[in-house]
Amino acid sequence: QVQLVESGGGLVKPGGSLRLSCAASGFTFSDYYMSWIRQAPGKGLEWVSHITSSNYINYADSVKGRFSISRDSAKNSLYLQMNSLRAEDTAVYYCARTGSYYDSNAWGQGTLVTVS
Amino acid sequence: QSALTQPASVSGSPGQSITISCTGTSSDVGTFNYVSWYQQYPGKAPRLMIYEVSNRPSGVSNRFSGSKSGITASLTISGLQAEDEADYYCSSYTTTTTVVFGGGTKLTVL
Repeated sequence: QVQLVESGGGLVKPGGSLRLSCAASGFTFSDYYMSWIRQAPGKGLEWVSHITSSNYINYADSVKGRFSISRDSAKNSLYLQMNSLRAEDTAVYYCARTGSYYDSNAWGQGTLVTVS
Repeated sequence: QSALTQPASVSGSPGQSITISCTGTSSDVGTFNYVSWYQQYPGKAPRLMIYEVSNRPSGVSNRFSGSKSGITASLTISGLQAEDEADYYCSSYTTTTTVVFGGGTKLTVL
């Protein structure tokens, strides 16, 4: 079955960096778009970034220039490099398999990033 | 990109139908049929319930349906059940090739 497992979250100071990883299994990773979506404590969902199967990339304005998404199809893995972190980046970060209609049809359990 | 507008809360009794609205702009909901709806229980990851405005993924109950008119999309849940009590989010693709979510709606089953 489809499985997405995020890792790399933790506590980091403002201005610091963190790299999130998402290990995918149970589907042909290279065929799918992939997304990072975050949720601040007690708040709603916020789209962060996506990367298409052709490596076309987009970012939310709130993270543009600070975050970088990438994928490694040989390792069936998705990454999010987060630099210049701010308190407002504190959230649970979800990795999601995304369809061509930009529907996120499978989600990981999330990894918590705390910037303080 | 501003968030899509959803009511903060809706409620209904078991067996009733409820509708959650999701209002965007001509830059997102009004232009694309790439509207999705998600269900989220506290402390859990979201689950896709509707994609491309009105399509249900395999395994989602046919009590859930979606529609769109102009810049407003809607999620209707018929035959409300206690297990439907959750947060619901809409999302849409946008003309700037990004994705925007709604603020979320808390559904209470009375």
